Amino acid sequence: DGGITQSPKYLFRKEGQNVTLSCEQNLNHDAMYWYRQDPGQGLRLIYYSQIVNDFQKGDIAEGYSVSREKKESFPLTVTSAQKNPTAFYLCASSMSGLVATQYFGPGTRLLVL
Amino acid sequence: KQEVTQIPAALSVPEGENLVLNCSFTDSAIYNLQWFRQDPGKGLTSLLLIQSSQREQTSGRLNASLDKSSGRSTLYIAASQPGDSATYLCAPGALMGGGNKLTFGTGTQLKVEL
Repeated sequence: DGGITQSPKYLFRKEGQNVTLSCEQNLNHDAMYWYRQDPGQGLRLIYYSQIVNDFQKGDIAEGYSVSREKKESFPLTVTSAQKNPTAFYLCASSMSGLVATQYFGPGTRLLVL
Repeated sequence: KQEVTQIPAALSVPEGENLVLNCSFTDSAIYNLQWFRQDPGKGLTSLLLIQSSQREQTSGRLNASLDKSSGRSTLYIAASQPGDSATYLCAPGALMGGGNKLTFGTGTQLKVEL
């Protein structure tokens, strides 16, 4: 089955700890995205990547880092610099271009202990 | 900065009713607009994508229209069913580093009752 997988489904972070969220896609998409969703707010873009080995900051990149070493994978690290990390994190991918549909994974819920 | 508003924030209708969800956006310089549904605790499911050159797009019981110049889109759901209960999100897309940046509204929470 083609799609986007995210793991883990739930993640707990201790104070001062870095944690990494996994996102994998087998849709052969060039572009991948990370969004954050908070209650009562629209999804906000954290980072995006249009091609392997290249990525750009979105609207709320502070306290986060990413890598794109393979086309299929776009992991997100939530660093200790992110002071309010509790949220639902969604990964998406799309073909290149301005009118490409974005497809989303099932999400990872990050909680702080 | 693009701002997206969805009205109503919540809607409850009896099964079988036709309904319209509204989306407005402040910057008309968009290339497309996507409608999604989100079930509680789940990811987003893409419903329809309308290109900026199109006026409407249909998929089954769903019809989405786009009036780019006035900054409005509507999602029409015909003959609603309990399985349509979800939050519906609209997201206009604009140019971003050669790609497509979506800006999301906070959604309309729909409940279809038996």
